[in-house]
Amino acid sequence: NAGVTQTPKFRVLKTGQSMTLLCAQDMNHEYMYWYRQDPGMGLRLIHYSVGEGTTAKGEVPDGYNVSRLKKQNFLLGLESAAPSQTSVYFCASSLIGAETQYFGPGTRLLVL
Amino acid sequence: GQQVMQIPQYQHVQEGEDFTTYCNSSTTLSNIQWYKQRPGGHPVFLIQLVKSGEVKKQKRLTFQFGEAKKNSSLHITATQTTDVGTYFCAEDQAGTALIFGKGTTLSVSS
Repeated sequence: NAGVTQTPKFRVLKTGQSMTLLCAQDMNHEYMYWYRQDPGMGLRLIHYSVGEGTTAKGEVPDGYNVSRLKKQNFLLGLESAAPSQTSVYFCASSLIGAETQYFGPGTRLLVL
Repeated sequence: GQQVMQIPQYQHVQEGEDFTTYCNSSTTLSNIQWYKQRPGGHPVFLIQLVKSGEVKKQKRLTFQFGEAKKNSSLHITATQTTDVGTYFCAEDQAGTALIFGKGTTLSVSS
């Protein structure tokens, strides 16, 4: 099992460009999460999903959209990237809510 | 919103010294989880505490949950260079998600 995978690993964007980060899990987990990690700020929840076809806002949802069309995939979209969105993005999944979360390796995003 | 506070933010120790990080909440927690993130890596689950006053050990790591379920601690005995990283506590948010503390970054010099 690959666990949780994320693509791409690293990306550079110009302000105003759009992109989609892909998260995939092969553990048949119901719940999936997107976090961003910035120095000194810990892990902040952007959006999450409690099952296929569902999404919910986390602590810092502004500027991001998500979709969960398939149970194993959770997509994070940036419609118009801003330098403030420069961060490391982690995806995680869990079998049920608030239980052990399994994290992907992360995506480093730089917005110029 | 609710958030657990972690202290200290940074800690440097000599190899062989002990280390403790604390996690405090203003509200009663249903449970608390601890994660470790190595430099350049991703968070990895360590343990979950559920019961009031619970103490769990993993080799040199000792985890405690306070009697009032408002605080928790992680203690490492005789640190090693492999203990380097950031340790996060995380609280259950309504059974659907976790809210992470800002973490304690541990550095160890040999």
